[in-house]
Amino acid sequence: DAGVIQSPRHEVTEMGQEVTLRCKPISGHNSLFWYRQTMMRGLELLIYFNNNVPIDDSGMPEDRFSAKMPNASFSTLKIQPSEPRDSAVYFCASSFSENQPQHFGDGTRLSIL
Amino acid sequence: AQKITQTQPGMFVQEKEAVTLDCTYDTSDPSYGLFWYKQPSSGEMIFLIYQGSYDQQNATEGRYSLNFQKARKSANLVISASQLGDSAMYFCAGGGYQKVTFGIGTKLQVIP
Repeated sequence: DAGVIQSPRHEVTEMGQEVTLRCKPISGHNSLFWYRQTMMRGLELLIYFNNNVPIDDSGMPEDRFSAKMPNASFSTLKIQPSEPRDSAVYFCASSFSENQPQHFGDGTRLSIL
Repeated sequence: AQKITQTQPGMFVQEKEAVTLDCTYDTSDPSYGLFWYKQPSSGEMIFLIYQGSYDQQNATEGRYSLNFQKARKSANLVISASQLGDSAMYFCAGGGYQKVTFGIGTKLQVIP
């Protein structure tokens, strides 16, 4: 069975550029989560969706960050414009429901120069 | 939301020995789940084990077991017969009616 698929695996771009991270959750999972992980702040929940609807976006750091889930099999996290402090590993995870075990993708390692 | 506390920043264990990683939680939800994840140096987050608050028995998955003590609000991970490949960060997480929250992690190093 395919797990959570994230793309790209690595992204290096210059500050000010738009960055789009993509995620395909496990089929049948109704909840999707976006996390950011850094050495300084650990694992932070940015936003999560239930049945494609954003439920809690209180972790989104600024208006430069936006996330969408147009259908049950696809989600994007967009940063526009990007800044060096956005450099981190971004994980997508999915689960059957919001309080069930989450399965993580391999992450996107983002470097903003 | 649930609060997860991991008080051991780092742990060492001799290969083939058992080790316990501590986790306490605080929630007012009557129904909740507790999980453990492993993050090796390669970076992926690997789901290890799940315990539901109404489960009568402690969860086990191979060499992993969850020592669930509801009255003490603890959900410690026990790894038996440690292997060098167990060296990693371990995260405890919990979720009730609201989103899952993660602890700050414990770094486990297995010594040959």
